[in-house]
Amino acid sequence: QQQVKQSPQSLIVQKGGISIINCAYENTAFDYFPWYQQFPGKGPALLIAIRPDVSEKKEGRFTISFNKSAKQFSLHIMDSQPGDSATYFCAALESYQKVTFGIGTKLQVIP
Amino acid sequence: NAGVTQTPKFQVLKTGQSMTLQCAQDMNHNSMYWYRQDPGMGLRLIYYSASEGTTDKGEVPNGYNVSRLNKREFSLRLESAAPSQTSVYFCASTAGTGEIDTQYFGPGTRLTVL
Repeated sequence: QQQVKQSPQSLIVQKGGISIINCAYENTAFDYFPWYQQFPGKGPALLIAIRPDVSEKKEGRFTISFNKSAKQFSLHIMDSQPGDSATYFCAALESYQKVTFGIGTKLQVIP
Repeated sequence: NAGVTQTPKFQVLKTGQSMTLQCAQDMNHNSMYWYRQDPGMGLRLIYYSASEGTTDKGEVPNGYNVSRLNKREFSLRLESAAPSQTSVYFCASTAGTGEIDTQYFGPGTRLTVL
């Protein structure tokens, strides 16, 4: 049972383009939505996170858009760079103990 | 400040062998977690420890046992390894203060069971 559905599973974007990764959830008890970035051979690391009372959060080139009524949230990477090539996971928490991850999106930014 | 460390980095086992994956954190965190990562499955929680002395099952606990040795260390044991346990295993920790906070992950252990 996949509580957080993430798409696409893989994404190829040209340098300078916008990368968009989408996630959807069903559990309305989720109240915190982080995104993690994982480089090959490394553990995931927190990239950016949002709470459902905010519709958008921006940190540098990374933006989370959140649609509470549709139960969807997405990560936008503006001006994508080859160094952004990594796997991105969305996640959702209903308490500080229980984190549910999406299946991940492998992003490749080509020059 | 090393963060979360895991040993070993790589391991190959034969079916039926046992082994223990070690995890330690130096951030004085209360909560620690073990995940497995498989292609197309994302990260799935095996066991977690909310605080020293407590452990609870996650989504996929079968075939595994854990020990919270002290506040710093949380180990994962495979008593009789099976090919289905071939995976990358990540340990993580959080402050565990009761508020939602960041999970910090270790570098992972890549396990192959033949």
